[in-house]
Amino acid sequence: SQTIHQWPATLVQPVGSPLSLECTVEGTSNPNLYWYRQAAGRGLQLLFYSVGIGQISSEVPQNLSASRPQDRQFILSSKKLLLSDSGFYLCALNRRQPRYYGYTFGSGTRLTVV
Amino acid sequence: AQSVTQLGSHVSVSEGALVLLRCNYSSSVPPYLFWYVQYPNQGLQLLLKYTTGATLVKGINGFEAEFKKSETSFHLTKPSAHMSDAAEYFCAVSEETNAGKSTFGDGTTLTVKP
Repeated sequence: SQTIHQWPATLVQPVGSPLSLECTVEGTSNPNLYWYRQAAGRGLQLLFYSVGIGQISSEVPQNLSASRPQDRQFILSSKKLLLSDSGFYLCALNRRQPRYYGYTFGSGTRLTVV
Repeated sequence: AQSVTQLGSHVSVSEGALVLLRCNYSSSVPPYLFWYVQYPNQGLQLLLKYTTGATLVKGINGFEAEFKKSETSFHLTKPSAHMSDAAEYFCAVSEETNAGKSTFGDGTTLTVKP
């Protein structure tokens, strides 16, 4: 079965520091990959998605960027973190076909910017 | 554009009572609809999904949901709540032509009282 490995589980970073969150996929190839952010008590906000290596679509203008250097690797980055970047970050995959399979999520990274 | 509204950010039921979590959606094309569950500090897990065909869908842990096109609703139910059902529940909508992206509601926190 398909799984997503996401790390670290928690992260405390000072304002202005860089960020790199990574997720890797097992059990499937050529998936669509997504980064979501969940603020406390709120729903999920789609940040980026990727339909293939090197293909990144941004949903929200922000301080973050994403990359997909390999088929099963998806990275979320920032050069300088802001306080507003705090939140729970979730990586998810969706099979290309059929797309309605539903998401498989990673276990998430709780980022606190101080 | 697709959207989801979950009515009631908090629902409290007694153990053994009926669980009803409400979800209404908006979509310009026939939607794919999902319910996910999230336990504290974890990723989301797919409970059930509607794609096509039978409008009453059954999922894991005894949950089911009914797609009602005329009411644009996809409410989640469980006949008898268990303490282990306490969690946050998210309704989501996806469109086939939209890179498999899902739009999530703000979530409903379910509390189960002994």
